[in-house]
Amino acid sequence: SQELEQSPQSLIVQEGKNLTINCTSSKTLYGLYWYKQKYGEGLIFLMMLQKGGEEKSHEKITAKLDEKKQQSSLHITASQPSHAGIYLCGADDAGGTSYGKLTFGQGTILTVHP
Amino acid sequence: GAVVSQHPSRVICKSGTSVKIECRSLDFQATTMFWYRQFPKKSLMLMATSNEGSKATYEQGVEKDKFLINHASLTLSTLTVTSAHPEDSSFYICSARFPHTGELFFGEGSRLTVL
Repeated sequence: SQELEQSPQSLIVQEGKNLTINCTSSKTLYGLYWYKQKYGEGLIFLMMLQKGGEEKSHEKITAKLDEKKQQSSLHITASQPSHAGIYLCGADDAGGTSYGKLTFGQGTILTVHP
Repeated sequence: GAVVSQHPSRVICKSGTSVKIECRSLDFQATTMFWYRQFPKKSLMLMATSNEGSKATYEQGVEKDKFLINHASLTLSTLTVTSAHPEDSSFYICSARFPHTGELFFGEGSRLTVL
């Protein structure tokens, strides 16, 4: 089965600083999703990446999938307290044919100090 | 973006009773929905795949008779925790795939507490 390793496990930054969260897979990634979660709440969809080398941005968040499709990174520019939360990467299982069965990383807890 | 809604968001029940959680896709049809369970400070673990008009597919180690899944329409899947026990207390969350983009959206989650 596919395993996802996120790093770092937790991150504390000062408001305005940039940061990067990594997600590394034990197998080729056919569909990689990034979500944000507040403790005890649902997952907020951030980005979906499917092609090697693909990069997507939304507001101050950029996600990339490397050419070999085994690692993805999430970059936040000029962080704000509203960015605080748990960031989860999820991989579509079974070579992309599972249509939504995701295996998740363990999550990265982001704290942004004002 | 597409919206997936769950109800109830919180439920407390007595041991031995059954609890039903609903998952709805609000502005799109979903032939397949997914149910996950999340333990405190842990990541999500897939429990089962809910298939409209057919039986659900359960992940290894998930009891079919304990967690009954029904996907009676293209916009609704339900998870019933039968004869609930305190160890069933958890955060249950569903997801559905938006057909036009392939993006996966999650519900708000349902926190179950069994006394």
